[in-house]
Amino acid sequence: NAGVTQTPKFQVLKTGQSMTLQCAQDMNHNSMYWYRQDPGMGLRLIYYSASEGTTDKGEVPNGYNVSRLNKREFSLRLESAAPSQTSVYFCASSSSFSGANVLTFGAGSRLTVL
Amino acid sequence: QKEVEQNSGPLSVPEGAIASLNCTYSDRGSQSFFWYRQYSGKSPELIMFIYSNGDKEDGRFTAQLNKASQYVSLLIRDSQPSDSATYLCAVKNQAGTALIFGKGTTLSVSS
Repeated sequence: NAGVTQTPKFQVLKTGQSMTLQCAQDMNHNSMYWYRQDPGMGLRLIYYSASEGTTDKGEVPNGYNVSRLNKREFSLRLESAAPSQTSVYFCASSSSFSGANVLTFGAGSRLTVL
Repeated sequence: QKEVEQNSGPLSVPEGAIASLNCTYSDRGSQSFFWYRQYSGKSPELIMFIYSNGDKEDGRFTAQLNKASQYVSLLIRDSQPSDSATYLCAVKNQAGTALIFGKGTTLSVSS
């Protein structure tokens, strides 16, 4: 049972390049989330998907797009990467639509934008 | 103003002491509160959650919630060097669909 799997683990981009972070969970959870973590800033919510077919903006959505491909997969896309998007990105899932109860996190994806 | 506030620390305690971590939140209607632990370079993991006013104990950990004062705290008794980590407080958002995290408090337990 892998839980939440994120790919890639590390990525270096140049300013203006695009890329997609992939996330998949095998726990049959309804809700999925993308957070970013910067030094001294804690975890900030980028986008979330309460259920398959729905997505909503979080605290810091600018510069990102998401796709809830199916119940298992939730991807995060950077269309034109900027140095301010250098961060560690965490995908998470939870089993309750309204409870946001227990989040299970992936291992993280470290992105550097030059 | 961020919805969830924590003192970033570092909080340093000797082994065997009680570590007290505090968190305040701005939304008076918040109902659910969570404490996550994050070791350096790792992903966050849930320690415990609390919904009701008062104390909730789980082993060496006690969560305390005071909704009137809008704060939640985490006490770690008999602190161990392995407790050295960043502790993240989280509150469910107004829609009840996601967690909003504080910046975290770094705890260092010296042997």
